[in-house]
Amino acid sequence: QVQLQESGPGLVKPSETLSLSCTVSGGSINNYYWTWIRQAPGKGLEWIGNIYYSGDTNYNPSLQSRISISVDMSRKHFSLELTSVTTADTAVYFCGRGTIFGVVNTWGQGTLVTVS
Amino acid sequence: IQMTQSPSTLSASVGDRVTITCRASQSINNWLAWYQQKPGRAPTLLIAMASSLYSGVPSRFSGRGSGTEFTLTISDLQPDDFATYYCQHYNGYWGFGQGTKLEI
Repeated sequence: QVQLQESGPGLVKPSETLSLSCTVSGGSINNYYWTWIRQAPGKGLEWIGNIYYSGDTNYNPSLQSRISISVDMSRKHFSLELTSVTTADTAVYFCGRGTIFGVVNTWGQGTLVTVS
Repeated sequence: IQMTQSPSTLSASVGDRVTITCRASQSINNWLAWYQQKPGRAPTLLIAMASSLYSGVPSRFSGRGSGTEFTLTISDLQPDDFATYYCQHYNGYWGFGQGTKLEI
């Protein structure tokens, strides 16, 4: 059964770059959309973007200028970089496995990133 | 595409039948999913493609709709069902509704 695990610093300073990684275990990285979603404290879910295993990316237009998502097929992980962070970027960041049906059927447990 | 869920909060009792609505600002055909989220946990997928129950999800959950209007119905509410529910669209871009908190 596929499992996802986020990793990265829990605290980032304003104006710096937030970098997170998600490791995929127990399944193939092929044929899926590797996805980042976040949730600010007490708020709803926000799609950040995703990367197809082939490398094609799709980003939330509201964040597009600050986002980069990459995938490392050999190491079976994918990464998120979010530049020029502010306190508004404080959130739990989830990585997920998206399918061609446009759903996330597997989620990481989430990691809280605080910008302060 | 904007997704509007209603109501934002819903109070119900064990055994009730409840319906949550999600409206899209433009047609998304049936590219609509529903998730359940409990406090401190990642969401879990309930329904894909508007009406397809995901593997392992109890049959008391059902989804309907196409185009711009969709519903999630939970029949015979169980204690484990009290959570927050989100709709999510896919049209190349992805996006979520603002959520519906189902409370006792």
